[in-house]
Amino acid sequence: DTEVTQTPKHLVMGMTNKKSLKCEQHMGHRAMYWYKQKAKKPPELMFVYSYEKLSINESVPSRFSPECPNSSLLNLHLHALQPEDSALYLCASSHRIGANVLTFGAGSRLTVL
Amino acid sequence: GQQLNQSPQSMFIQEGEDVSMNCTSSSIFNTWLWYKQDPGEGPVLLIALYKAGELTSNGRLTAQFGITRKDSFLNISASIPSDVGIYFCAGQGLASGNQFYFGTGTSLTVIP
Repeated sequence: DTEVTQTPKHLVMGMTNKKSLKCEQHMGHRAMYWYKQKAKKPPELMFVYSYEKLSINESVPSRFSPECPNSSLLNLHLHALQPEDSALYLCASSHRIGANVLTFGAGSRLTVL
Repeated sequence: GQQLNQSPQSMFIQEGEDVSMNCTSSSIFNTWLWYKQDPGEGPVLLIALYKAGELTSNGRLTAQFGITRKDSFLNISASIPSDVGIYFCAGQGLASGNQFYFGTGTSLTVIP
């Protein structure tokens, strides 16, 4: 299995809702990442987990809350989002932090109304 | 976070033409990756480069790791309609805390 699987593919939520994005990989990778991508822009790093511990938080607002329950799963909990948070959220994984290849999922398209 | 300068920003070419794009950074990188992204999908890895001066091919695609370690180039030969998409470079090195940061992207349109 060489895939990173993200669910849901599409999510529409109101500003008062609480929702979660999920990411799963079974490649034995020990580093997992969340990126945010706006239309026609490059992916921007949000969080990095290494061995299930948060390693990097790129000054992301607290309305985004990451969680890594085990080495295969990565969640992004969403609460009180703003319309400008609408974007494609990409999960990626690598063998370890600093490894020299990133494998991406297909992304979750989030729309905040 | 860091951002790499990628050019051109967009290209409109006829099917069968060759394509060249490049990525530059003010920092030295140890790894360059090239990805292609289709609309609404995640980036898919095309080529990985790990050594200054390295030239690597993947079918009609050829990429090079610049000698200065501050740039990389991607060439596509004999373009076909399915080459349409956005191409991103990504660089990794000490300057980026060993994380990957992405270029600004090149949008490619192939006219049949």
